[in-house]
Amino acid sequence: EVQLVESGGGLVQPGGSLRLSCAASGFTFSTYSMNWVRQAPGKGLEWVSYISSSSSNIYYADSVKGRFTISRDNAKNSLYLQMNSLRDEDTAVYYCAREWRHCVDYWGQGTLVTVSS
Amino acid sequence: QPVLTQSSSASASLGSSVKLTCTLSSGHSSYIIAWHQQQPGKAPRYLMNLEGSGSYNKGSGVPDRFSGSSSGADRYLTISNLQSEDEADYYCETWDSNTRVFGGGTKLTVL
Repeated sequence: EVQLVESGGGLVQPGGSLRLSCAASGFTFSTYSMNWVRQAPGKGLEWVSYISSSSSNIYYADSVKGRFTISRDNAKNSLYLQMNSLRDEDTAVYYCAREWRHCVDYWGQGTLVTVSS
Repeated sequence: QPVLTQSSSASASLGSSVKLTCTLSSGHSSYIIAWHQQQPGKAPRYLMNLEGSGSYNKGSGVPDRFSGSSSGADRYLTISNLQSEDEADYYCETWDSNTRVFGGGTKLTVL
């Protein structure tokens, strides 16, 4: 059974940093591209970042470019999102998502990030 | 990059059928999309991916009541024999030029 379990969310002040993790199991992690997708309170889904299976290709949404860094460790079956210079508008539930044929086919349960003073 | 347009809301009666629409922007009518369901307070769940030909592949455990179809730039999600647990937000999704795009979502109410 495919499982994606996020962790690392919490309350952080504006300008602060946070590192999210996603532990993957139930599939061969090293062969799949992965994504981070977020959802602000009461809003729709917003794509944040993508990383290919070997980390050779990485992309970001304009709203986080230069502030967030996606990475993965295939030996540990783990995906990460380093978030720096956090803003109020980064407040959201962050989902780890597996990709298949250019679409998300599995979602984690999400971790809440709250940016507030 | 493509834009996905969805109606903000829809409603249908228990036991009936409903057809939700996701429209691809001009120049992107051949794109594959995915449909996702998000029940209240839960994470999204992948339902299916859907090609411009109307061919679709459903996710594991998705009931037979869910089906997909296409016409031009429109991608449809049809839910038959509506159940109370189908009351949810439904999002479509696609990918192009290093960017993933989601539609604004349709809130489905089961009457």
